[in-house]
Amino acid sequence: DAGITQSPRHKVTETGTPVTLRCHQTENHRYMYWYRQDPGHGLRLIHYSYGVKDTDKGEVSDGYSVSRSKTEDFLLTLESATSSQTSVYFCAIRTRGRGGTDTQYFGPGTRLTVL
Amino acid sequence: AQSVTQLDSHVSVSEGTPVLLRCNYSSSYSPSLFWYVQHPNKGLQLLLKYTSAATLVKGINGFEAEFKKSETSFHLTKPSAHMSDAAEYFCVADGPYNQGGKLIFGQGTELSVKP
Repeated sequence: DAGITQSPRHKVTETGTPVTLRCHQTENHRYMYWYRQDPGHGLRLIHYSYGVKDTDKGEVSDGYSVSRSKTEDFLLTLESATSSQTSVYFCAIRTRGRGGTDTQYFGPGTRLTVL
Repeated sequence: AQSVTQLDSHVSVSEGTPVLLRCNYSSSYSPSLFWYVQHPNKGLQLLLKYTSAATLVKGINGFEAEFKKSETSFHLTKPSAHMSDAAEYFCVADGPYNQGGKLIFGQGTELSVKP
């Protein structure tokens, strides 16, 4: 499982409240990612990080922010949750294989419901 | 632009019969290609990956995939389906290296296995 944990695993919150999801890895990988999964859309990249304090936007970053103050933790914050952010959120890390082949491994996911 | 198309949103087979999940890709470069499986309420698990070392790739649980550059395809097969294979399967390509390792997901194929 590449040593990835996500917390919380389930959360129900109300519209307008801030929410922070945590991704924790134990293997010191440089790259970490946040995706959301919705029916009919597969997985879409929200933000990613390529090192401590180094982050960049993905394709669906509006309404989300991230922070990475330590190598092992990558936080995703919904500044003011909306019902459209109801989704399953996955964190991933990227490993470097032989010959430069990179592979992403995913965490167990967080199911977020915004009422 | 790069894209991944899974040709069937749903495939149903009987236990013990072959499985074929179809995937085509479009890319201006030679991508690495992956198949991931997602069982209900679980995270994504890597089945196999193609990295240009060999066109026929063997993965876990008896699955394999063949990369055909002339057809831009990377179809997933298994000789004999098992009930535990029922899940959603994603064909994935890696994006350009200068985009932080972004992955490009197909829409997913749901595999049902009948007894």
